[in-house]
Amino acid sequence: GEQVEQRPPHLSVREGDSAVITCTYTDPNSYYFFWYKQEPGASLQLLMKVFSSTEINEGQGFTVLLNKKDKRLSLNLTAAHPGDSAAYFCAVNNNNNAPRFGAGTKLSVKP
Amino acid sequence: GGIITQTPKFLIGQEGQKLTLKCQQNFNHDTMYWYRQDSGKGLRLIYYSITENDLQKGDLSEGYDASREKKSSFSLTVTSAQKNEMAVFLCASRRDSYAEQFFGPGTRLTVL
Repeated sequence: GEQVEQRPPHLSVREGDSAVITCTYTDPNSYYFFWYKQEPGASLQLLMKVFSSTEINEGQGFTVLLNKKDKRLSLNLTAAHPGDSAAYFCAVNNNNNAPRFGAGTKLSVKP
Repeated sequence: GGIITQTPKFLIGQEGQKLTLKCQQNFNHDTMYWYRQDSGKGLRLIYYSITENDLQKGDLSEGYDASREKKSSFSLTVTSAQKNEMAVFLCASRRDSYAEQFFGPGTRLTVL
């Protein structure tokens, strides 16, 4: 079945540093991609979404890049701050009704 | 806008007990989901439902039952609670396969 691999599982950076989280997927019929943020003790909230390889979405200090040829999705943070400390999950939609989630990345931003 | 509510917020049960978790959404979304999240881990799909009275098994359905009584509500039953399934159970819904999911606040299950 569809596999979504997310790396790294843990990421620790200093305030102001950049951070990159990557997901790779296997199903060529995947067409909608999402990043969710889960703050400690809270539920998941949508951070960003991207639908095509020509689309680069930016917001809240993050950039999402999609490379459909390589089946790779990345979440890039250019200047981390402590409020970005959270778990981040990618999710991939394809033709079935259940999105596939990556295993998550726990990001820690130290002052 | 809309909201997903989950009840109860905290659920404490005895080993072997049957326990029910409830989820309500007012988005008018067709598809609803139940996930289990163990501490510090990712999401595992238990059941989902694409419409009223529909049920689809996820990767972790053994030991659980579900019920989609009406479009706005989706219940999950732990048929016989075990100590190794202490976790947070998250309910989610989405409009269609092109859309993002909206998540509820979760129910934290403790088994004594």
